[in-house]
Amino acid sequence: GNSVTQMEGPVTLSEEAFLTINCTYTATGYPSLFWYVQYPGEGLQLLLKATKADDKGSNKGFEATYRKETTSFHLEKGSVQVSDSAVYFCALVGVRRDDKIIFGKGTRLHILP
Amino acid sequence: NAGVTQTPKFRILKIGQSMTLQCTQDMNHNYMYWYRQDPGMGLKLIYYSVGAGITDKGEVPNGYNVSRSTTEDFPLRLELAAPSQTSVYFCASSYDGGSPYEQYFGPGTRLTVT
Repeated sequence: GNSVTQMEGPVTLSEEAFLTINCTYTATGYPSLFWYVQYPGEGLQLLLKATKADDKGSNKGFEATYRKETTSFHLEKGSVQVSDSAVYFCALVGVRRDDKIIFGKGTRLHILP
Repeated sequence: NAGVTQTPKFRILKIGQSMTLQCTQDMNHNYMYWYRQDPGMGLKLIYYSVGAGITDKGEVPNGYNVSRSTTEDFPLRLELAAPSQTSVYFCASSYDGGSPYEQYFGPGTRLTVT
């Protein structure tokens, strides 16, 4: 079945550092891929998405590129801020009409001032 | 718009007690979902609904019940609380059109069963 694997945290970086959070997936065909972010004490919110191969999703300085050849959707940001401290979830929706969204386990990010 | 609202924010239950977690959305979304989030385990789907009067089981439905009498409301019922149901519960909604998998989440209910 479909699945999502993302790097385990916590990830701790200094402000202005470069961020990469790895995400790989297993699915047939061309699933839709998402990154959600959960700030402390809040629910998840959609950060960015990509629905076909080679698409790049971007929002708030974050980017992720849908790589079919490596089945990956890594999240990147060139210069992180303290306010980016949160838990980041990679997610996937398969190609069947009745497929539900599948979330990875989440990666906690700490940014130090 | 308030989006997705959940009540209560926190609750402590004794084993065997029952309670209902409330969820309301004002975006006229037809899809609604209940998830539980355990530490380090991501989210697991408990139940979902594709419209008023229609509900279906997700990955972990045992010990829970739902109903969907209106488009706006999707309450989750725990009949006999057990320690294994200690978790954070999130309600979400989405619209089956355009981007159906862009889910909007409520702020969560933290439940402890002792």
